[in-house]
This record gives sequence, structure tokens and C-alpha cells, in this order.
Amino acid sequence: DAGITQSPRHKVTETGTPVTLRCHQTENHRYMYWYRQDPGHGLRLIHYSYGVKDTDKGEVSDGYSVSRSKTEDFLLTLESATSSQTSVYFCAITQDKNEKLFFGSGTQLSVL
Amino acid sequence: GESVGLHLPTLSVQEGDNSIINCAYSNSASDYFIWYKQESGKGPQFIIDIRSNMDKRQGQRVTVLLNKTVKHLSLQIAATQPGDSAVYFCAENTGGNTGKLIFGQGTTLQVKP
Repeated sequence: DAGITQSPRHKVTETGTPVTLRCHQTENHRYMYWYRQDPGHGLRLIHYSYGVKDTDKGEVSDGYSVSRSKTEDFLLTLESATSSQTSVYFCAITQDKNEKLFFGSGTQLSVL
Repeated sequence: GESVGLHLPTLSVQEGDNSIINCAYSNSASDYFIWYKQESGKGPQFIIDIRSNMDKRQGQRVTVLLNKTVKHLSLQIAATQPGDSAVYFCAENTGGNTGKLIFGQGTTLQVKP
């Protein structure tokens, strides 16, 4: 998956607990993205980063925060998980904003 | 076989036949389009892309056609194989400074042996 590692691959947590998902890349790409994928909604952008410490919101950012302290790592945090955040989360990277994205293998998150 | 994306989300074809998956995109300012394949339990995988200054691009067994007049994109897969069974997404890049992609809902391709 183009030098992208997502961790954990699966997680089950309880409502109200904090959760952090990690995306690690070895490609030194500038742009990194977090998407969630749900039946009937396709892939929706949560947050993205265009450089170290440079992040911005996507279309479904409520309840999520991100951080990028190093080029290779992009963290997605759910401060207080809710059942509506049960989803599959994908990280994607690209070197150029006008080029194709490469996706990781995903994290299956279940919030009970 | 032919699919109209959101209206017919599943396309079933016989092995060896050609497949055509369609996608209607939303933004007339979009200038870059990508097709992805997603197998069960995996992340989307890049298949082929096309920029708005082209109307056709060919890859290995795949062809993408772009009709900007009617904002329509199609993916043609020649001699469809069982390994082609997956969900196929189109994505459009609306330009700007962020490279954000807008994804279609996806079409499931089922290949019958």
C-alpha cells in the first residue's frame, strides 16, 4: 500500500473514550488525508494536512482532531468516541495536490 | 454490460466479456479524474486517471473516457476476469490548493465464471 501503515487495523472501544488512529508513511509525501467510509456515503474527507503542523478540516470534521508533528505521521483523534463514529478509516497520501492519492489498508473502528 | 453508477450500483458480467462502469461527476470545474478499485477488506487502489484536456486514456486492459459536455466518466475493462470483482469508485479533483477528491458512491462489479 505505497508505504503507508495504519494502526491499529481493528479497534473496539466504548462510547465516551478517546481514540487515536495513526498513519505512518515512508514516502516523504507532503499531503496526507483522513477519510471515513460508510455504506451509502462512500469516502468522506475528515481532515487533511498539507505539511508539518499545517492541517485543515474536511467535510465531516466534527468530533475529530488531527496532528502532524512530523512529515511521516498523521494522527486522527476522537476525543470522545460516539457510536456514529463507527466506521472504516482510511489514510491517504500524495506528493502533489493535483495527483492521485495512495491509500492505506484502513482501520476498522467499532464504538459500542 | 453497463452500469449507471448510483442508479445501478451492481454490475454483473460474464468472465471474458467487457465491462463498462459509468460515473456522473458533479463539478464542471473539476480538472482531474481518477478510478479506484477496492477489494473487500482493503483500501482503494489506483487504476487509471485522466485530466480534463484529454477525452480518452488507455492502460492495461482498462480505458477511461471523459465527456466534459455531460460531466460523464466511464471505465471500460476488457476481457473481464474474476480478479476484477471489486467495488469501483470514480473521484474528481475540483482543483484549488488542497487536492481534495470527491468520491462517487461506487459500483460493485461481479464477474461470473
